[in-house]
Amino acid sequence: SQTIHQWPATLVQPVGSPLSLECTVEGTSNPNLYWYRQAAGRGLQLLFYSVGIGQISSEVPQNLSASRPQDRQFILSSKKLLLSDSGFYLCAWSSSGSDNEQFFGPGTRLTVL
Amino acid sequence: LAKTTQPISMDSYEGQEVNITCSHNNIATNDYITWYQQFPSQGPRFIIQGYKTKVTNEVASLFIPADRKSSTLSLPRVSLSDTAVYYCLVGDQYNFNKFYFGSGTKLNVKP
Repeated sequence: SQTIHQWPATLVQPVGSPLSLECTVEGTSNPNLYWYRQAAGRGLQLLFYSVGIGQISSEVPQNLSASRPQDRQFILSSKKLLLSDSGFYLCAWSSSGSDNEQFFGPGTRLTVL
Repeated sequence: LAKTTQPISMDSYEGQEVNITCSHNNIATNDYITWYQQFPSQGPRFIIQGYKTKVTNEVASLFIPADRKSSTLSLPRVSLSDTAVYYCLVGDQYNFNKFYFGSGTKLNVKP
């Protein structure tokens, strides 16, 4: 069966510090991968999606970036965090076939102080 | 981008049937309608998906009228554990950036 991992679960970082969140998927190959952010009490905002290694599409201009160094690894980064980067970050995957159901990871709660 | 409109919140009691309606007036021909459930501090979980008419699984039913400009998620006999946020999405399975999670509907099930 497929599983998706995210770490860390929670993170408190000062403004201006760097960020690296990691997401890995097991039990599937060539998945589509997604990063979402959810502000408190709000819906999910799609940040990045990837259909293959090294292929990243950005949905929202921001100080965040994403990379996919391996087929089942997706990394969200920032060089300098802003207060507005606080939120719940979710990684998700879907099959590269016609089934577009997305499976979400447990999320990372990021607080920027 | 096919955006969706849902009620912000709904209240219900245990054992009742709950119907949550979603409006998606500019749905495209290739778009499917998908519903997700999210509990606090967890990622959303897929509930059901459909293209037209009615779809039913072990958890819910999805009713889609002929014009596809709206859809209704029906949860039979809800329990306290169904308290969650429910999201309606429309998206083309071949255009991944078209998926749009709105603010969802906060369903509060009371005893």
